[in-house]
Amino acid sequence: EDQVTQSPEALRLQEGESSSLNCSYTVSGLRGLFWYRQDPGKGPEFLFTLYSAGEEKEKERLKATLTKKESFLHITAPKPEDSATYLCAVQAGGSSNTGKLIFGQGTTLQVKP
Amino acid sequence: NAGVTQTPKFRVLKTGQSMTLLCAQDMNHEYMYWYRQDPGMGLRLIHYSVGEGTTAKGEVPDGYNVSRLKKQNFLLGLESAAPSQTSVYFCASTKSGANVLTFGAGSRLTVL
Repeated sequence: EDQVTQSPEALRLQEGESSSLNCSYTVSGLRGLFWYRQDPGKGPEFLFTLYSAGEEKEKERLKATLTKKESFLHITAPKPEDSATYLCAVQAGGSSNTGKLIFGQGTTLQVKP
Repeated sequence: NAGVTQTPKFRVLKTGQSMTLLCAQDMNHEYMYWYRQDPGMGLRLIHYSVGEGTTAKGEVPDGYNVSRLKKQNFLLGLESAAPSQTSVYFCASTKSGANVLTFGAGSRLTVL
């Protein structure tokens, strides 16, 4: 069964204190791994897509990496505005690409000034 | 360019009542999805559509029906609401299966 597990569930950081969020996945053929950011009361907003092990992508203070079993979202010198819930999702392989995403539970990040 | 618009944003129902959530996208996307989000459960797929006139079941389809009569609209119906359907519902769309999903702002439904 395809599954995505994120850890930790919640993370509190001081401004400037770097850390990483983990996303472990089990999927029958990975088409892509996605990271989204979700602010309270809003819909998920796309951050990154990773397609193969070893791939890395960066955006401002965020860097996403991918291995065959997990992905990390590294946050360098976070600011209070980085506070949000970060969602990881995978798109499984198969004969037909329906675009369906399987989501993890999310990690809620709070960055204190 | 509005993206993905969901209506209504909030709704309170009594057990047994029916209602329809509307999702509209103006990006000419082929694929559309309905997810529900519950605390500690993440986003779970209810139903999806890969084109006008087509629908398919997702992970948690029981108690819901959908229709895609027009390419830009995807409707989610609850025929007889139950307290277990209290949730935040998100609609998403994408151009094709290989592209990134764009989400709406969500519809919060409470069933008493």
